[in-house]
Amino acid sequence: NAGVTQTPKFRVLKTGQSMTLLCAQDMNHEYMYWYRQDPGMGLRLIHYSVGEGTTAKGEVPDGYNVSRLKKQNFLLGLESAAPSQTSVYFCASSYSDRVTGYTFGSGTRLTVV
Amino acid sequence: DAKTTQPTSMDCAEGRAANLPCNHSTISGNEYVYWYRQIHSQGPQYIIHGLKNNETNEMASLIITEDRKSSTLILPHATLRDTAVYYCIVRVHNDYKLSFGAGTTVTVRA
Repeated sequence: NAGVTQTPKFRVLKTGQSMTLLCAQDMNHEYMYWYRQDPGMGLRLIHYSVGEGTTAKGEVPDGYNVSRLKKQNFLLGLESAAPSQTSVYFCASSYSDRVTGYTFGSGTRLTVV
Repeated sequence: DAKTTQPTSMDCAEGRAANLPCNHSTISGNEYVYWYRQIHSQGPQYIIHGLKNNETNEMASLIITEDRKSSTLILPHATLRDTAVYYCIVRVHNDYKLSFGAGTTVTVRA
């Protein structure tokens, strides 16, 4: 089925460890986004990309890096995980057309101990 | 982007219409109103959007006041599966970065 796929779905990291979250979409969308959601809060934009090879900072980019080497993939990296990065991470994609909605993935639940 | 104000929570009876208000009194002429919902533990799901005319799709209806300072999302026949957090978002036409606030937690009761 067409959509946005996130891997892994769950992960537990120790403080200081690194990891990469993968987001893949098969809808030929130009724009891709990474959000985090903490308990009782809305989603906050971490980084986004407006096309292959491009990335830009969102609202809360510190402690994260991203790459968009292929149009269908958007990677989110944590170089040195901290407990404050415990959260649920959502990836989304959209067409370049301004009036279309976003398609979100099912989320990655990350716990840093 | 214009800010939005939504009630924190609301209840609705199954089978009845659910009317979700959103205030966006500082909206600009080129800003669209978007509605998304997030069912527990899932990613947000796009519902509907509009500029100034009322809109309807298979999921819901969107009523925007003539002065565009507020809108109402209508779920015509709420079911238990409509229990979710509903987000009202106002977005500038050339800004593709959505911002999600706390939304309205809607509980549909049998």
